[in-house]
Amino acid sequence: EAQVTQNPRYLITVTGKKLTVTCSQNMNHEYMSWYRQDPGLGLRQIYYSMNVEVTDKGDVPEGYKVSRKEKRNFPLILESPSPNQTSLYFCASSLSLLTAKNIQYFGAGTRLSVL
Amino acid sequence: GQNIDQPTEMTATEGAIVQINCTYQTSGFNGLFWYQQHAGEAPTFLSYNVLDGLEEKGRFSSFLSRSKGYSYLLLKELQMKDSASYLCAHQGTGGFKTIFGAGTRLFVKA
Repeated sequence: EAQVTQNPRYLITVTGKKLTVTCSQNMNHEYMSWYRQDPGLGLRQIYYSMNVEVTDKGDVPEGYKVSRKEKRNFPLILESPSPNQTSLYFCASSLSLLTAKNIQYFGAGTRLSVL
Repeated sequence: GQNIDQPTEMTATEGAIVQINCTYQTSGFNGLFWYQQHAGEAPTFLSYNVLDGLEEKGRFSSFLSRSKGYSYLLLKELQMKDSASYLCAHQGTGGFKTIFGAGTRLFVKA
């Protein structure tokens, strides 16, 4: 089954404790992206990747890191989480950047609480 | 700058037609997308427009006017399961970044 898998689904942590949210897709997609979703603000793009070893900042990259060492995986790293990073996070992937094919497929989401 | 505006909430009756509007101001354009998101779930793709005009897909249609920076999503024969948030998303020049609106929560009542 074609899917985007995020782990964990739920995470409660404390300020300053490094964490990684994993994202994996099995569709051989080139493009992957991380978003956070907050009430009233909608989805905001954190980082995106056009292909292996090619990543760039979205609109809200501060406090986050990403890597793309393999095509299928795109982990999101919070080196020193803070309470303002409490949010619902979505990973998404799409086949390519050509508009007709840039339909994004989303993972189920990771709800993160930083205390 | 880039900005997308859509109404926060709408209510409609089962069986009716509803139109959800979206306006955007951007420095480049490469596509306008609509996604549906049920509460607690991931967004799923509904429709996209890259050229002006209407795209029809079953009960859902989407319209785009690039000169006006305007799009709408039309839902016909509303069903209770259509109660969800509808997200308008703009893809800028080069296609690298996607900007989402805050979403419109649609309530379908019997």
